[in-house]
Amino acid sequence: EIVLTQSPATLSLSPGEGATLSCRASQSVGSSLAWYQQKPGQPPRLLIYDTSNRATGIPARFSGSGSGTDFTLTISSLEPEDFAVYYCQHRTNWPLTFGGGTRVEIK
Amino acid sequence: QLQLQESGPGLVKPSETLSLTCTVSGGSFSSSTYFWGWIRQPPGKGLEWIGSIYDNVNTYYNPSLRSRVTISVDTSKNQFSLKLSSVTAADTAVYYCARPRTVSDHHFEYWGQGILVTVSS
Repeated sequence: EIVLTQSPATLSLSPGEGATLSCRASQSVGSSLAWYQQKPGQPPRLLIYDTSNRATGIPARFSGSGSGTDFTLTISSLEPEDFAVYYCQHRTNWPLTFGGGTRVEIK
Repeated sequence: QLQLQESGPGLVKPSETLSLTCTVSGGSFSSSTYFWGWIRQPPGKGLEWIGSIYDNVNTYYNPSLRSRVTISVDTSKNQFSLKLSSVTAADTAVYYCARPRTVSDHHFEYWGQGILVTVSS
């Protein structure tokens, strides 16, 4: 099973600041990594698939990068609606796994 | 716009079987081309993939749950279902059904709103 470790657990930032979230895989997942955003009481929302491709309707301030075992989600300038929990997920093999999440909170 | 909706009991007794259904509307329900999935999230915790079904009969389960999980499809009703047997309090969670972005993909773009299932006597 591929273990995904996200860091930091919590990121305290102000609106307008940039955010950098990390996801590290226990073995290579190639480029088969996605990022999701989840707000309280809502299902996860797909932001980025296959490392760097924005899903439908996702603003350009969200970008993804990386390969192999180290991946990054960058939010260039935080909007009020971006404060949420973010998860990474691989699709390289079974079982699919998710990272433990990074909470982006208002400082 | 594709929509998914989970349904089923919100309360299940320990040792019994949890049964949920996901109804798909607003689009083509083709279990022969998409990997339809179930994911759960215990209160205040992260996401756990339970399993996926493809082509009506090909199922893929999380090894941690494999002995207790069954996922099936009813194409006549545009539904797929989850059964989890011998439940305990640790199975209390919000259960989501989801569909990937494209055929043969496993990144989930379409999600139901989720249903909270509590295991308690």
